[in-house]
Amino acid sequence: GAVVSQHPSRVICKSGTSVKIECRSLDFQATTMFWYRQFPKKSLMLMATSNEGSKATYEQGVEKDKFLINHASLTLSTLTVTSAHPEDSSFYICSAREREADEQYFGPGTRLTVT
Amino acid sequence: GQNIDQPTEMTATEGAIVQINCTYQTSGFNGLFWYQQHAGEAPTFLSYNVLDGLEEKGRFSSFLSRSKGYSYLLLKELQMKDSASYLCAPLDSNYQLIWGAGTKLIIKP
Repeated sequence: GAVVSQHPSRVICKSGTSVKIECRSLDFQATTMFWYRQFPKKSLMLMATSNEGSKATYEQGVEKDKFLINHASLTLSTLTVTSAHPEDSSFYICSAREREADEQYFGPGTRLTVT
Repeated sequence: GQNIDQPTEMTATEGAIVQINCTYQTSGFNGLFWYQQHAGEAPTFLSYNVLDGLEEKGRFSSFLSRSKGYSYLLLKELQMKDSASYLCAPLDSNYQLIWGAGTKLIIKP
C-alpha cells in the first residue's frame, strides 16, 4: 500500500511554455501533499505544502505565480511550472501524507528539462 | 535555526556493517525519519523513530537519542544494492520534514 504516482516521469519543454506535473496517491487519502525540487547531489528543497481544498503554502523564495499548485482532491495535486526557463530544469518530487507524523510517501519524481 | 549534520560520504565493504550518524537541531521535534535515495530516484522510507532507543527492521536498524539530538542508521550484511544516499530527516514542530544533504554510501566488493 501507500503508493504515490507522478506523471510524467520525464518532460522536455521549450523556454516560455508551461508544464503540468501530476501527483496522485493511489491507495490512500492524502490530506497533505508536498512538492520538492532537487538539484544534482543536493538535498531535497521543499517548495510548497498543500492541504486538500486550501491554498498551498509556499516556502520563502519560491514564486507562487510561477509554480502553481492545485490540490483539488484527496488523491491529486498538480504543479504547473509557468513560463519555464532553463534554470527551472530540475528533478521535481512530490510526496503525500495521510495524517500528521505519518511518513511521507514519495512519488518517483519528474525530471524536467527546459531548452 | 534548523540544522542536520551527516557525513557527506562513507565507504564500506560488501558483507560488512556500517553506521551512519546524524545530529540535528530543530524547532520542536516530532520524530525522525531515515530515507534511502538511489541516484536519479525519489527517496524511499526506511524507518521512523519517535521514542529513544533502537528500532530493528531486517538488515537495517535505527537509533534515536532525543536528549542528544542524535540518531544513527545501522546497515548490516551490506549488499551492493545498498549503495545509495541515506537521508536523516527530523520532523519539526509543524510536522515538516527537515532535510540535509544526506550521506552517500559507497559499497565496494
